[in-house]
Amino acid sequence: EADIYQTPRYLVIGTGKKITLECSQTMGHDKMYWYQQDPGMELHLIHYSYGVNSTEKGDLSSESTVSRIRTEHFPLTLESARPSHTSQYLCASSNAGQRDGYTFGSGTRLTVV
Amino acid sequence: SQELEQSPQSLIVQEGKNLTINCTSSKTLYGLYWYKQKYGEGLIFLMMLQKGGEEKSHEKITAKLDEKKQQSSLHITASQPSHAGIYLCGASGAGSYQLTFGKGTKLSVIP
Repeated sequence: EADIYQTPRYLVIGTGKKITLECSQTMGHDKMYWYQQDPGMELHLIHYSYGVNSTEKGDLSSESTVSRIRTEHFPLTLESARPSHTSQYLCASSNAGQRDGYTFGSGTRLTVV
Repeated sequence: SQELEQSPQSLIVQEGKNLTINCTSSKTLYGLYWYKQKYGEGLIFLMMLQKGGEEKSHEKITAKLDEKKQQSSLHITASQPSHAGIYLCGASGAGSYQLTFGKGTKLSVIP
C-alpha cells in the first residue's frame, strides 16, 4: 500500500543532542515537504524538495537541515536540539499534478528538555 | 505571501446539525485544498477545488469555490461525532506547488 511514513512518532530528547527525523514515501512522488506545527497553530513550511539533490528553505526560518539523496527519503536533522525546537513536525509529498493534494505522514512530536 | 483566513476558529454543534466553515484567501486562488486533522496526527486530504463555481462532495461533506470572492466553504450535513477534528484549508499560488494553510477550524460534535 502506498503511503508516507514518519519515525519516530514521539521523541523526548535533551538539549544539545543531534536528532534526525525520518520521512519515507512509497508513492514515487517527486515533491516532498516538511511543515512545523505548534499546538493549536497553523502549519508553517520549513523545507521542500522538488527532486533528488534539490532542497529549498520554506517560509519559516528553521535551524534544521534536510537532504534528498533518494526520491523516497527526505530526512530532517537538527544538529543541536533546543527547547525552542519543541513542536510537531509533519512530512508530506505530492505528485506533479497535485490534483490529490499532499499526502501527509502521521507526524513526529518532538520535545526538547 | 498568500494568507488564508478561516472562520469560525472553533465550532461546537449537536449531532445531526448542519454546519459551514469558510476559508478566504488574500490573493487569487489557483487551487484550494481541504484537509481534516485529528489532534496530534497528520492531515487527511478531503478534496481539491480548482475552478470557480466548482463544487465537490465526499459522503456528507460538500465544498464550493467562489473564485470572485476568493473564498471556499465546507459544508457538513447531518454532522456525526466522526466529523470532529480540525479542518484546514490550503492553497497554492500561481505556478507554485507549495501550500499555505489557514489556522484551522476546530469542530466538536456533541452526541
